[in-house]
Amino acid sequence: DAGVTQSPTHLIKTRGQQVTLRCSPKSGHDTVSWYQQALGQGPQFIFQYYEEEERQRGNFPDRFSGHQFPNYSSELNVNALLLGDSALYLCASSHGSEQYFGPGTRLTVT
Amino acid sequence: GIQVEQSPPDLILQEGANSTLRCNFSDSVNNLQWFHQNPWGQLINLFYIPSGTKQNGRLSATTVATERYSLLYISSSQTTDSGVYFCAAQISSGSARQLTFGSGTQLTVLP
Repeated sequence: DAGVTQSPTHLIKTRGQQVTLRCSPKSGHDTVSWYQQALGQGPQFIFQYYEEEERQRGNFPDRFSGHQFPNYSSELNVNALLLGDSALYLCASSHGSEQYFGPGTRLTVT
Repeated sequence: GIQVEQSPPDLILQEGANSTLRCNFSDSVNNLQWFHQNPWGQLINLFYIPSGTKQNGRLSATTVATERYSLLYISSSQTTDSGVYFCAAQISSGSARQLTFGSGTQLTVLP
């Protein structure tokens, strides 16, 4: 049984560019959440998708957007990248309350 | 929103020692999870424990929901236990779905 998978593992982008991160949930899970973890801090909630709709959103600007597909996989898009967007981006899947996390995508903005 | 505080922020132990990590939260919760973050950044699920006590090998956890705290116990620590431990909580009221994380406890186990 595969766990949560994310791609790519690492990514380097230039300020002002756009990026798309991908997540496949654990088998049987229908809900995907995205978190941003800056160095030395705990993960911060970005948004959650369920039934292809954004169900809840954290305190992040509109530059952060997402999508969930019929197979429950999800994408996180960030436009107009800033240096401060450099972080580890974590995807979590769930069916019910308990969340399981993927290995993350480390984004570096130069 | 809910506040989640962890203590201590840093802990250094000799191999074989026992330790207790604490997590305080400011609101009623329907989800409380403990994670271990490995050096590559992956969050490993340790416990899903909104209330009560659970044990898994050398690790155990207790959540006292009425007093809004949770404890993670590590017994006979090993060097492989080193890393950052996070607790995360989800409030039980309204439509909240997000996990709110504490700042973590950095555990270092010396050989």
